[in-house]
Amino acid sequence: EDQVTQSPEALRLQEGESSSLNCSYTVSGLRGLFWYRQDPGKGPEFLFTLYSAGEEKEKERLKATLTKKESFLHITAPKPEDSATYLCAVQVNNQGGKLIFGQGTELSVKP
Amino acid sequence: DTAVSQTPKYLVTQMGNDKSIKCEQNLGHDTMYWYKQDSKKFLKIMFSYNNKELIINETVPNRFSPKSPDKAHLNLHINSLELGDSAVYFCASSPRGRGPTFGSGTRLTVV
Repeated sequence: EDQVTQSPEALRLQEGESSSLNCSYTVSGLRGLFWYRQDPGKGPEFLFTLYSAGEEKEKERLKATLTKKESFLHITAPKPEDSATYLCAVQVNNQGGKLIFGQGTELSVKP
Repeated sequence: DTAVSQTPKYLVTQMGNDKSIKCEQNLGHDTMYWYKQDSKKFLKIMFSYNNKELIINETVPNRFSPKSPDKAHLNLHINSLELGDSAVYFCASSPRGRGPTFGSGTRLTVV
């Protein structure tokens, strides 16, 4: 069965304290791995798509990497405005484009 | 210019009632989705339409009926609402094979 597991469930950081979020996946055939950010009361906001092992993408303080079993979202020198829930999802071949989501990591960055 | 808009944003209703949620996208995407987010923030796909054709129907009670009058609109009708239907429902759209853009959600509360 296709599965996505994120860790930790919650992460508290001080402003400037770099860290990483993990997304482990087990799928029959990976088409793509997606990272989204979700703020309270809002819909998920697209951050990155990764398609193959070894691929990396960056946006401001965020960097996403992908291996054959997991993805990491590295946050460098976070700021309070980076506080949100980060969602990882996989898109599997021949399944009509649906995303299978992990349960999310709730990040809190204190000033 | 809102890319994916859904109405209403909040919906409070009694058990047994029938209600509808409307969704429209102005991105020109071919594929539209309904996702459900439970109280633990876990997002799960319910339905997907591609050019008005149903392509994903994930083990959803048949009290839920999606309707796509054209490729820019995907509505969700729910009959005989139950307490367990309380959740946030997200509409989303994507170009073929890519990750979806989400709406801001409809918080449904059944009392």
